[in-house]
Formats: sequence, C-alpha cells, structure tokens
Amino acid sequence: DADVTQTPRNRITKTGKRIMLECSQTKGHDRMYWYRQDPGLGLRLIYYSFDVKDINKGEISDGYSVSRQAQAKFSLSLESAIPNQTALYFCATSEGEGLGYTFGSGTRLTVV
Amino acid sequence: AQSVTQLGSHVSVSEGALVLLRCNYSSSVPPYLFWYVQYPNQGLQLLLKYTSAATLVKGINGFEAEFKKSETSFHLTKPSAHMSDAAEYFCAVSERGGADGLTFGKGTHLIIQP
Repeated sequence: DADVTQTPRNRITKTGKRIMLECSQTKGHDRMYWYRQDPGLGLRLIYYSFDVKDINKGEISDGYSVSRQAQAKFSLSLESAIPNQTALYFCATSEGEGLGYTFGSGTRLTVV
Repeated sequence: AQSVTQLGSHVSVSEGALVLLRCNYSSSVPPYLFWYVQYPNQGLQLLLKYTSAATLVKGINGFEAEFKKSETSFHLTKPSAHMSDAAEYFCAVSERGGADGLTFGKGTHLIIQP
C-alpha cells in the first residue's frame, strides 16, 4: 500500500455540488498538507495541519475547507464547486521542518 | 514572502547531453531547498534536498544540485541525459523556522531528444 493514499483518483462533478477529497497516510507524520496543481503554475498550498487541533490556511484557501479527523486522515472539501477549481490536487505529509515531504498520487478533479 | 523562479518552462536536450535546470529563490535567510520530479500521471518524487550540510547535494537517478548562497541559486544538473529523465521538474523551498509548507516554482518540462 502507498504511504499516502488519495481517494478518489479522478472525479467529475457539477458546478455548485459539494465534494470531498480524502487523504490517508501510514507514515505516522503529524504534518499534512493539501496542494493544488495547475498547468504552468506549479503547486500552491491550500491548507496545512500540524495535528488534529491545528489547521492553517495556505496561499489559496478561499472556496475550500478541511477536516483533520485523525493523525492519519486529512480531508479537503469544496462546499460549492466552481469550474476554476478544476485541477490536480495533492495531499502530502511531512515529518518536520526541512525533512522533506511525501506526496500522494493526486486526485484529478473536473468541475463542469 | 518567499518565491521560487525556474528559468525556462521547457528545456530540451539530446540524449547523453548535460542536463541543467535552473532555480533561484528569494529569501533573506537561506531556506531548505528541494527538487521534485513528476512523471506523467504520477505524484511528486523527491530527487534531492539541501538542509544545511554540504552545498553540493547528490540525489537519485544521477542528479545533483549545488547551493550557491551568493547567487541565491540551487540549479539541478545531470551529466548525461537519459530518455527516462523526461518529466516535469519542480524546485521548492521551505522557510526555516517560519510558516510551514513548500513554495514551488512553476516547473520545468524536460524533453529528451533521441
């Protein structure tokens, strides 16, 4: 099994729908992150969490919310999806400052 | 705020030639520096990282990068390109003692010509 698992791998949803992307990890890391990748823009940080009681906004948090259900689980929600949220979403974990990050395989989300 | 600049959205080299992918960062304090590779339809894989030890860092698949504080650069090199190196490469930084998370460059797509 992968260290960082994202579900679903692909999702097509309609404008205005609520959607949740899930991430689970077996690394035992406290720090978890959600990034969004758009062609030509690299990856941008949406939210990050240092533990279940510590949630922080990233560079582009508007339109998104997160839930840290347990150390191993970190979910990203789009309350009302819009087409410009069409992107590749990555979950990542980290053991600590400067120690590198482990990424999941990504969720490709299309909002029509 | 930190920023990362990758010069060249696309770089094309011949198989067997030197690979040079450029990365410059802006930060008042030398940050942690990373290079990641993304193969088509896959996630990101760590190639190498600079924390504070040797300025020349060796990574996987024959890649290496040199941290140059005076030039605020962390360029990625490989002496001899292989067809399997074709991928998207991202330079990223993480601030020391500051807000967490990685700040990524926009990526460089490496094309290997036969």
